[in-house]
Amino acid sequence: NAGVTQTPKFQVLKTGQSMTLQCAQDMNHNSMYWYRQDPGMGLRLIYYSASEGTTDKGEVPNGYNVSRLNKREFSLRLESAAPSQTSVYFCASTTQVSYEQYFGPGTRLTVT
Amino acid sequence: SQKIEQNSEALNIQEGKTATLTCNYTNYSPAYLQWYRQDPGRGPVFLLLIRENEKEKRKERLKVTFDTTLKQSLFHITASQPADSATYLCALDMSGGFKTIFGAGTRLFVKA
Repeated sequence: NAGVTQTPKFQVLKTGQSMTLQCAQDMNHNSMYWYRQDPGMGLRLIYYSASEGTTDKGEVPNGYNVSRLNKREFSLRLESAAPSQTSVYFCASTTQVSYEQYFGPGTRLTVT
Repeated sequence: SQKIEQNSEALNIQEGKTATLTCNYTNYSPAYLQWYRQDPGRGPVFLLLIRENEKEKRKERLKVTFDTTLKQSLFHITASQPADSATYLCALDMSGGFKTIFGAGTRLFVKA
């Protein structure tokens, strides 16, 4: 099992450009999450999907959109990137039975 | 709103000693609390979960306590080793399992 995979690993964008971060899990988990991690601020929830077909806002959703494409895949889209979105982005999944979250390796995004 | 406080200062200890990390929260007691380990450049990895009706949980050299009166969890690593050096994150359940709030983490350095 690959667990949770994320692409790309690194990305540099110019202000105003758009991009989609991809996430996939092969553990048959129902719930998936997108977090951003900034120095000194811990992980902040952007959006989550409790189950296939549903998505909800987290703590910091502004400037982002998500799509739960199927049970395996959950993508995060930046429509018009801003320097404030420079961060490391993590995708995670869980069964909602054990509650432990499995994280991907992260995407390091820089917006100039 | 719920806030989590972890010591932002790094903890330096000698190999073989017990490391104790603290997690304090401000408002309601969560149904459960989790601890994760994060190495530089990688996603967090789940270590332990403790429920609100449990006082203590152990796993090998790890021990977690949960005091809902003090609104505090303590995370202990006994017989610490240099390989235990990492950042340790505390996480609280926010809404019955669909949303989790993470602390900023405490960096642990174990010297040989």
